[in-house]
Amino acid sequence: EAQVTQNPRYLITVTGKKLTVTCSQNMNHEYMSWYRQDPGLGLRQIYYSMNVEVTDKGDVPEGYKVSRKEKRNFPLILESPSPNQTSLYFCASSITTDRPPGEQYFGPGTRLTVT
Amino acid sequence: SQQGEEDPQALSIQEGENATMNCSYKTSINNLQWYRQNSGRGLVHLILIRSNEREKHSGRLRVTLDTSKKSSSLLITASRAADTASYFCATAYTGGFKTIFGAGTRLFVKA
Repeated sequence: EAQVTQNPRYLITVTGKKLTVTCSQNMNHEYMSWYRQDPGLGLRQIYYSMNVEVTDKGDVPEGYKVSRKEKRNFPLILESPSPNQTSLYFCASSITTDRPPGEQYFGPGTRLTVT
Repeated sequence: SQQGEEDPQALSIQEGENATMNCSYKTSINNLQWYRQNSGRGLVHLILIRSNEREKHSGRLRVTLDTSKKSSSLLITASRAADTASYFCATAYTGGFKTIFGAGTRLFVKA
């Protein structure tokens, strides 16, 4: 089954404790992206990747890191989480062989709480 | 903010009625997409319209795009209770890889 998976689905952590949210897709998509969703703000793009070893900042990259060492995986790293990073996070992928991205497939979301 | 804007923020209609939601954006786009989200779950792609297209249909969905006004609308005809969800527009801007989402319209269809 074609899908985007994220782990963990729920995470409660404390300020400053490094964490990684994993994202994996099995569709051989080139484009992958991370979004955060906050009430009343819709989805905001954190980082995206056009292909292996090619990443770029979205609109809200501060406090986040990403890497794309393999085509299927695109982990999101919070080196020192803070309470303002409490949010619902989505990973998405798109086949995009040329810019810009079209239809995106979304993972189920990771609900992160930083206390 | 580069975010697109959607209106209305919330819409409540009776089953069988049509629902229309609008999206405005700010700069030149390559395509515009509409997504649906059920209650905190992942988004599901509904339809994509390219900048050189004016109207597109998919089942009960009809999307229009007016690039001169930088706006799009999503029409859901003969709505059902199962259409209750949040709907988001997303724009892919010309020459880039970013995706900009609107804040969404919450649709509630009463049975």
